[in-house]
Amino acid sequence: SQKIEQNSEALNIQEGKTATLTCNYTNYSPAYLQWYRQDPGRGPVFLLLIRENEKEKRKERLKVTFDTTLKQSLFHITASQPADSATYLCAPGSARQLTFGSGTQLTVLP
Amino acid sequence: GAVVSQHPSWVICKSGTSVKIECRSLDFQATTMFWYRQFPKQSLMLMATSNEGSKATYEQGVEKDKFLINHASLTLSTLTVTSAHPEDSSFYICSAADPFAGDYGYTFGSGTRLTVV
Repeated sequence: SQKIEQNSEALNIQEGKTATLTCNYTNYSPAYLQWYRQDPGRGPVFLLLIRENEKEKRKERLKVTFDTTLKQSLFHITASQPADSATYLCAPGSARQLTFGSGTQLTVLP
Repeated sequence: GAVVSQHPSWVICKSGTSVKIECRSLDFQATTMFWYRQFPKQSLMLMATSNEGSKATYEQGVEKDKFLINHASLTLSTLTVTSAHPEDSSFYICSAADPFAGDYGYTFGSGTRLTVV
């Protein structure tokens, strides 16, 4: 069955550093992969989508890579800020179906 | 950008009663909406895919007679939890995709916290 693993439940980093979150998947060949941010008690907010034929995508301080050989996506937040503290979810998808990882709770310390 | 409104944001109900949750796409038409459930510190689990004008498609293990889904218009889908029990207490979230919005992913509602007492 499909399995999605995000590197760790929680990640603490110092303000200004780059946060790197990992998403690994198995038994799956997604056509694209999405990253979402979720704050406590709120629905996820879409951040970035990367397709299987794309290696990297950027949006402001965010960068996502997608390695279909390793079955892995890396999500980077550069120059991190305390406001970036949230849970980040990866969601590989095909057609209209998304499957979510359990998320990594990022805390950026001032 | 696309906005999905979910109502209510929280509800407390007595065991055995039914609760209806609404999900509306405010500025786009959504032929398909999705309903998820999320338990504390766990990921979103897809419950069902709601299709406008036809029956919903339920994921394995989700009781369709307990979680009634109606998608009667292109902007509204409802989830009714029937004969709710304490184990149904959870965070329910809907989502939809604007088919014309390109790579904007799926837009989620703000969620409904259901507590059954």
